[in-house]
Amino acid sequence: AQSVTQLDSQVPVFEEAPVELRCNYSSSVSVYLFWYVQYPNQGLQLLLKYLSGSTLVESINGFEAEFNKSQTSFHLRKPSVHISDTAEYFCAVSERDSSYKLIFGSGTRLLVRP
Amino acid sequence: ETGVTQTPRHLVMGMTNKKSLKCEQHLGHNAMYWYKQSAKKPLELMFVYSLEERVENNSVPSRFSPECPNSSHLFLHLHTLQPEDSALYLCASSQGREPYNEQFFGPGTRLTVL
Repeated sequence: AQSVTQLDSQVPVFEEAPVELRCNYSSSVSVYLFWYVQYPNQGLQLLLKYLSGSTLVESINGFEAEFNKSQTSFHLRKPSVHISDTAEYFCAVSERDSSYKLIFGSGTRLLVRP
Repeated sequence: ETGVTQTPRHLVMGMTNKKSLKCEQHLGHNAMYWYKQSAKKPLELMFVYSLEERVENNSVPSRFSPECPNSSHLFLHLHTLQPEDSALYLCASSQGREPYNEQFFGPGTRLTVL
């Protein structure tokens, strides 16, 4: 069965430091992978997604994630974080033969300190 | 209004009350979703409507009753809830049922059941 694991419930980091948020998934079929971000008192917003092609995908605000099929991972990275990156980050997966069903991880709270 | 809106943003109700949550999407999408977000748990998909037809009911108790009168509006009717139903209820929409489509989320309704 599909599942998504985000092992870190909270990641504290200082401003301008690099960060990696881990995501592992399990699925017996090909998948699409997503990272969503939730800022305080807001809904989730799509940050980036992997559908096919290059395994490295980037967002407009400096985040990137790499699909690693052999390790079934889709870790999110940023080389230098800002205070404004403080938010909850959710990894999600959908199977290529399914409809509209996104399976989410439990989320990782990124806390950027000055 | 733009995007996906939800009302009310906060709701406190007793176990014997009846209330409704409202969601409206201004994006011209044809699929709408209800999710439950509890602390430290993955988002749980509750219901999916595609072209105003319910296509997914994820083993949700009957005290939650969805309604989709048209492609822009989605309701969640609540009655005789339990304290464990306290959570953030998120509405989302997408264009199409394909698993690679981005889902757009509203800000959520924070529900507290006393």
